Amino acid sequence: EAQVTQNPRYLITVTGKKLTVTCSQNMNHEYMSWYRQDPGLGLRQIYYSMNVEVTDKGDVPEGYKVSRKEKRNFPLILESPSPNQTSLYFCASSFTFSRPQHFGDGTRLSIL
Amino acid sequence: KQEVTQIPAALSVPEGENLVLNCSFTDSAIYNLQWFRQDPGKGLTSLLLIQSSQREQTSGRLNASLDKSSGRSTLYIAASQPGDSATYLCAVNRGGGSQGNLIFGKGTKLSVKP
Repeated sequence: EAQVTQNPRYLITVTGKKLTVTCSQNMNHEYMSWYRQDPGLGLRQIYYSMNVEVTDKGDVPEGYKVSRKEKRNFPLILESPSPNQTSLYFCASSFTFSRPQHFGDGTRLSIL
Repeated sequence: KQEVTQIPAALSVPEGENLVLNCSFTDSAIYNLQWFRQDPGKGLTSLLLIQSSQREQTSGRLNASLDKSSGRSTLYIAASQPGDSATYLCAVNRGGGSQGNLIFGKGTKLSVKP
């Protein structure tokens, strides 16, 4: 089944403890992207990747890191999480940046 | 700076009604525009994608139009059904070297009552 898989789905953690949210797609998509969704602010793009080893900042990249070492995986790294990074995070992928995006089911992060 | 606005924020209609959702954007230099649907607790599902050179796209009961010069797009839903109840979001893909950078509106929450 074609899908975008995020792990974990839920996480409660504490300020400053490094964490990684994984994203994997099985559709051989070139383009991948991370978003966060917050009440009143909507969906905002954090980082995106046009292909392996190519990443670009979205609109809210501060406090996040990404890497794209292989086509199927695009992990989101929070080196020193803070409470303002509490949010619902989505990973998405598509064949290219100009094609429809497929979204994962989301990861709800709570940072205390 | 590109800004995307969706009005109204919420809409309630009786089943069977035809309806239009609106999306406006401030910078006409876009690569494409997508309409998505989001059900509660779920990720987004892409409904229609319109390239900047296109005027409209259709899929079943859905029709999306794009007027780049005026910075507007509409999503038309024909013969609405309770299963259409969801939040609908539009997103523009910025052009001019920032392809891949998507800017989302805050969505219209649609409720279709039986």
